Amino acid sequence: EPEVTQTPSHQVTQMGQEVILRCVPISNHLYFYWYRQILGQKVEFLVSFYNNEISEKSEIFDDQFSVERPDGSNFTLKIRSTKLEDSAMYFCASRPRGRVETQYFGPGTRLLVL
Amino acid sequence: KNEVEQSPQNLTAQEGEFITINCSYSVGISALHWLQQHPGGGIVSLFMLSSGKKKHGRLIATINIQEKHSSLHITASHPRDSAVYICAVGKTGNQFYFGTGTSLTVIP
Repeated sequence: EPEVTQTPSHQVTQMGQEVILRCVPISNHLYFYWYRQILGQKVEFLVSFYNNEISEKSEIFDDQFSVERPDGSNFTLKIRSTKLEDSAMYFCASRPRGRVETQYFGPGTRLLVL
Repeated sequence: KNEVEQSPQNLTAQEGEFITINCSYSVGISALHWLQQHPGGGIVSLFMLSSGKKKHGRLIATINIQEKHSSLHITASHPRDSAVYICAVGKTGNQFYFGTGTSLTVIP
């Protein structure tokens, strides 16, 4: 069964460094998402992406964040200058065409900013 | 402000018990999702509902759009059902609001 994959599974970085989190969505999916979950807190929506552009983003998704689909298979989340409070689990998800379809989640990348 | 409220926050049940987890939301939605998060952190989508009721194995999900309420039921619960169950609502299909989750422990 096809699945969403994410790399790396864990990343440790110094505050102020740039990080890129990578996701490979399911191949025929058209809508892509990033979520984050700070330890002990609820999952939060960051951004949705369709047709090579951001379709919606939350207040969390400020200028420090960017997303890209550089090569038609990868979907990346870049954090330009990491802060301590960016430490969280980051989940990618994708879904196929259709107004309301279930999302498929990746296993997550655990980011720790020191 | 919480757009999505779940109850209970924590639930412990004996194996075999019938379990109900509730979700209330305050925004107009296009769909509601029930998700399962395992101790390792991975998230699995269980159901997506826009109306009525869905059943998958021992899991049943219902939604009442007028009352802005959904329930997830687990029949004949088993220790492997132990996980955090999360309700998430989508307003437009592309932005989702998540509940804080219900932590379920099923004791053998």
